[in-house]
Amino acid sequence: SQQGEEDPQALSIQEGENATMNCSYKTSINNLQWYRQNSGRGLVHLILIRSNEREKHSGRLRVTLDTSKKSSSLLITASRAADTASYFCATGAGGTSYGKLTFGQGTILTVHP
Amino acid sequence: DVKVTQSSRYLVKRTGEKVFLECVQDMDHENMFWYRQDPGLGLRLIYFSYDVKMKEKGDIPEGYSVSREKKERFSLILESASTNQTSMYLCASSFASDRGNWFGYTFGSGTRLTVV
Repeated sequence: SQQGEEDPQALSIQEGENATMNCSYKTSINNLQWYRQNSGRGLVHLILIRSNEREKHSGRLRVTLDTSKKSSSLLITASRAADTASYFCATGAGGTSYGKLTFGQGTILTVHP
Repeated sequence: DVKVTQSSRYLVKRTGEKVFLECVQDMDHENMFWYRQDPGLGLRLIYFSYDVKMKEKGDIPEGYSVSREKKERFSLILESASTNQTSMYLCASSFASDRGNWFGYTFGSGTRLTVV
C-alpha cells in the first residue's frame, strides 16, 4: 500500500534556485523521513522528523511537517547540479511496526548548471 | 564507513531458476528489509526481519522467501524466477525502534535483476 505521495513528480530548476518537494500521506504516523537516490543506486537517508515536530533543518535542507494536513515538504536551498537525484518521502507508523517504512513514488529533481 | 553490501550489482537469470540475493550489514542493526523498486510504483516492501530467524511479510511477498540465520545477513530467495520479477532489489537495515526512537535506513547499492 502506498502511503506517501510526492508532488511534483518531476522538477527542473537552475543552479542557485530553491527546490521544494511535497509529500502527502493517508494514515497517522510516528515519523516521516526523506531520502535521496542517485540514478541506479541505493537510497541515502537525509533527514527524519518526528510527529511532534513541525520543522527541522540540516545544512541546506529544511523539512516541515503538518500532521493536521498529513503533509510534509522538503526545501533544498541554493541548489547545485550535484543535487540532481530522486527524492523520496517515507512514513513510519507506531505500534509493532518494527521501524517499517512506507515509501512514496518520488520526485525527480534536475538542477541545470 | 558503515555499510550494507549486496552481493551483486547486476544479475541475469532464466525463468524457473531459484535465485538468491544476499545482503550483509556491518552495523549490528536489528532490522533488515528487502524492497523492490519499479518505475511508477516506487519502493514496495517484500519482507523484513526484526531479529535472527524472525521474519514478517511485507506488501508483496508472493513468489519470494527470506532467510536470516545470522544478524548481519538477510537473504532474499526467488523460489522460481519469473519475468515479472525483473526489477531493482534494494536491501536496507536499521536499528530497532522502541519507546519513540526512530532511525533512518541504510541502503545497499541495489541489485538489478533481469529474468529472461
